[in-house]
Amino acid sequence: DIQMTQSPSSLSASVGDRVTITCRASEDIGTYLNWYQQKPGKAPNVLIYAASTLQRGVPSRFSGSRSGTDFTLTISGLQPEDFATYYCQQSFRIPRTFGQGSKVEIK
Amino acid sequence: QVHLQESGPGLVKPSETLSLTCNVSGGSLSNHYWTWIRQPAGKGLDWIGRIYPSGSTNYNPSLKSRVTISLDMSKNQVSLRLSSVIAADTAVYFCARVTQLAPYYYAMDIWGQGTTVTVSS
Repeated sequence: DIQMTQSPSSLSASVGDRVTITCRASEDIGTYLNWYQQKPGKAPNVLIYAASTLQRGVPSRFSGSRSGTDFTLTISGLQPEDFATYYCQQSFRIPRTFGQGSKVEIK
Repeated sequence: QVHLQESGPGLVKPSETLSLTCNVSGGSLSNHYWTWIRQPAGKGLDWIGRIYPSGSTNYNPSLKSRVTISLDMSKNQVSLRLSSVIAADTAVYFCARVTQLAPYYYAMDIWGQGTTVTVSS
């Protein structure tokens, strides 16, 4: 299986901050990487697919990038509704695998 | 507006079979594939498997011998069966639609709210 390793596992930030979450794949997955946001008690919601393409309806303060097997989710100007857990997921090979999650908490 | 709703028993005894249904409303099962994901309390997301409109399936090898995913086109439902359950199968189970958002790129774009299943005697 392809292992997806996220960092940090959690972080504290303030409204307006720029937040960066990293996801590393255990092998080359090209740009077959999705990012999801999950709020407590809710299902995940796709934010970004193909490593850097914003899903329709997702605010432009979210962005994604790739460097080799490292992927980054950036939130530019954190908003109150962005406090949540974020997961990366590879769509390159079966079984699909997720990172362990990065929880963004209020400082 | 496509809506997914999972249903099934909230409590299953060890060694028995977990059976869940995902009712799809506002859209067809065709032109997408469908997947089941689970999430143990306080933990991350685990991919269980997927099914194409043709009925072709792929399963997580860690569960392959115990899991069956099926479609009922007449009822617009996706089903999950997991046999010989153990306590470690206790989780919130989600069904999700998988859509091709760009050529060759797929993501789980619509999810059900999830249903909690506890394995306990």
